[in-house]
Amino acid sequence: SSELTQDPAVSVALGQTVGITCQGDSLRDYHASWYQQKPGLAPVLVIYDKTKRPSGIPDRFSGSSSGNTASLTITGAQAEDEADYYCHSRGSKIDHLYVFGSGTKVTVL
Amino acid sequence: QVQLQQSGPGLVKPSQTLSLTCAISGDSVSSNNVAWNWIRQSPSGGLVWLGRTYYRSEWYHDYAVSVKSRITINPDTSKNQFSLQLNSVTPEDTGVYYCARDAGGGLYYFDYWGQGTLVTVSS
Repeated sequence: SSELTQDPAVSVALGQTVGITCQGDSLRDYHASWYQQKPGLAPVLVIYDKTKRPSGIPDRFSGSSSGNTASLTITGAQAEDEADYYCHSRGSKIDHLYVFGSGTKVTVL
Repeated sequence: QVQLQQSGPGLVKPSQTLSLTCAISGDSVSSNNVAWNWIRQSPSGGLVWLGRTYYRSEWYHDYAVSVKSRITINPDTSKNQFSLQLNSVTPEDTGVYYCARDAGGGLYYFDYWGQGTLVTVSS
């Protein structure tokens, strides 16, 4: 079972803002990263170190964190943002070095 | 630009060994500040970290408890690649396997991924 909890699905109207949350004890100690995955493709890093965007990721993607909750926000969602989004961090238990959230399906209406 | 190219069979019989390779370009498997990982995605979609290898003056390996008795991840410096071997597979090992680089710096995130290999365990 995942140590990071995400809502299974959210929807957003084209051009509007949507937030995805990720909860887990490990987030109190370790920074979250976020991955976008489209069908049939490998995950792509969109946020790391809680708030940083890799080169090439649009600035409509932003990250934040407070306590045991990390958040990914898409401001002005585009059709191409429809995908599964996974949070990730180091695990809080010695035998779970890396943990992933269960994923959130974002649908752009 | 780092690229990871995976290879290996897509069908493995139960009780046999799953073997995959991840060839690295744009970086070295012996880099002193990154780690090389294998991650599995089940048919239901969840991502699970399986293990990693990394070099810090000597080679280190870490494995997920769920597969620790069955897994080996080895670097191959001559070919600049690393491999996954998973023994005694069952249908529960079916999924898409990814290799990925942990960018290091103690931040624990994967900045480059292989293309994925769908492995089906079936007789």
